[in-house]
Amino acid sequence: ETGVTQSPTHLIKTRGQQVTLRCSSQSGHNTVSWYQQALGQGPQFIFQYYREEENGRGNFPPRFSGLQFPNYSSELNVNALELDDSALYLCASSAGGTDTQYFGPGTRLTVL
Amino acid sequence: GENVEQHPSTLSVQEGDSAVIKCTYSDSASNYFPWYKQELGKGPQLIIDIRSNVGEKKDQRIAVTLNKTAKHFSLHITETQPEDSAVYFCAASMGSGTYKYIFGTGTRLKVLA
Repeated sequence: ETGVTQSPTHLIKTRGQQVTLRCSSQSGHNTVSWYQQALGQGPQFIFQYYREEENGRGNFPPRFSGLQFPNYSSELNVNALELDDSALYLCASSAGGTDTQYFGPGTRLTVL
Repeated sequence: GENVEQHPSTLSVQEGDSAVIKCTYSDSASNYFPWYKQELGKGPQLIIDIRSNVGEKKDQRIAVTLNKTAKHFSLHITETQPEDSAVYFCAASMGSGTYKYIFGTGTRLKVLA
């Protein structure tokens, strides 16, 4: 059974640019959640996708957007990057109808 | 708003001693409480979880207790080992039947050999 994978591992962007992060869910999981983890903080919920539809969103502006594909992999897109967007972005997958989420290793985004 | 408080922020124990981390949640509708261990440079790893219809759950050296009335839940690690050193996060589901989490701010556990 393959776990949750994310790419890229690290990314450096400049303010104002756009970025796309990718996540492959664990085999058999149809739900993907994205979290932002600032240094020294707990993860904060960005949004969740269930069967290709957004299924809830946290307190993040519209420049944070996402997609889920028919194979349940997912993308997180962030437009007009700001310095405060520098963080570890975590993807978690779960089987629809259950609440246990399994996290990937994360993508470390640095905005200069 | 919904909130999870976690204490202490850092905890140092001697190898073989026990460690206890405590969390308090605000949303009375929360019904699922996982605990994650995060090592440097890695994503959070689920170590134990508990649902609101259970008061205690144990898995080898790790146990979790839940007091729904007080909205408290705690992680207990017995016979700590150096490899238990990591940051531990508690989380609570956002209301009943939802699968989104609110996380605590983390506890950095150091097990001294």
